[in-house]
Amino acid sequence: DIVMTQTPLSSPVTLGQPASISCRSSQSLVHSDGNTYMSWLQQRPGQPPRLLIYKISNRFSGVPDRFSGSGAETDFTLKISRVEAEDVGVYYCMQTTQFPYTFGQGTKLEIK
Amino acid sequence: QVQLQESGPGLVKPSETLSLTCAVSGGSFSDYYLNWIRQPPGKGLEWIGYISYSGSPMYNPSLKSRVTISVDTSKNQFSLKLNSVTAADTAVYYCAREKLHLATFDIWGQGTLVTVSS
Repeated sequence: DIVMTQTPLSSPVTLGQPASISCRSSQSLVHSDGNTYMSWLQQRPGQPPRLLIYKISNRFSGVPDRFSGSGAETDFTLKISRVEAEDVGVYYCMQTTQFPYTFGQGTKLEIK
Repeated sequence: QVQLQESGPGLVKPSETLSLTCAVSGGSFSDYYLNWIRQPPGKGLEWIGYISYSGSPMYNPSLKSRVTISVDTSKNQFSLKLNSVTAADTAVYYCAREKLHLATFDIWGQGTLVTVSS
């Protein structure tokens, strides 16, 4: 299985300041079709996960442009340019390049 | 607007079979895979498996011997069965739609908590 390792596991951030979460996969996420199927999900307290970013850097419909994704091969980053109160929650990276699909452990974003 | 809704018993006895259904409303799912994901209380996410509209399933090897995912296209719903459950199977179970060309989960159900206890 591909292991997804996120850092940090907890991130206290001041409102209005940027935040960054890293995700490293145990092997390349480049699929044989040339695409890299790496996504970021947000889970607010008491809510199901919500898709933020797919295929490394594509923002899903309705996701604010303060969220951005980058990376390649095995190293990926989610950035929030200016954290807002509604961004509190747990963020997961996820790979769907290879079966079984796997998730990172989650990074808890909280406000200082 | 497509919506997914999980339903099923909230309490299952050890060694018995967990059975859940995910109803799809507001659209067809012929161009999607339908996934089950679970999350133990306070923990992370685990992919269980998916099924295509045509009925071809794919399972996580860690659960493959105990899992069956099926689809009922006439009712626009798909189902999860997990047999021989233990306390370790206690979790919130989510269904999620995987859009084929995105290869990600774009729509999630609200989730349903299943507790395994005698």
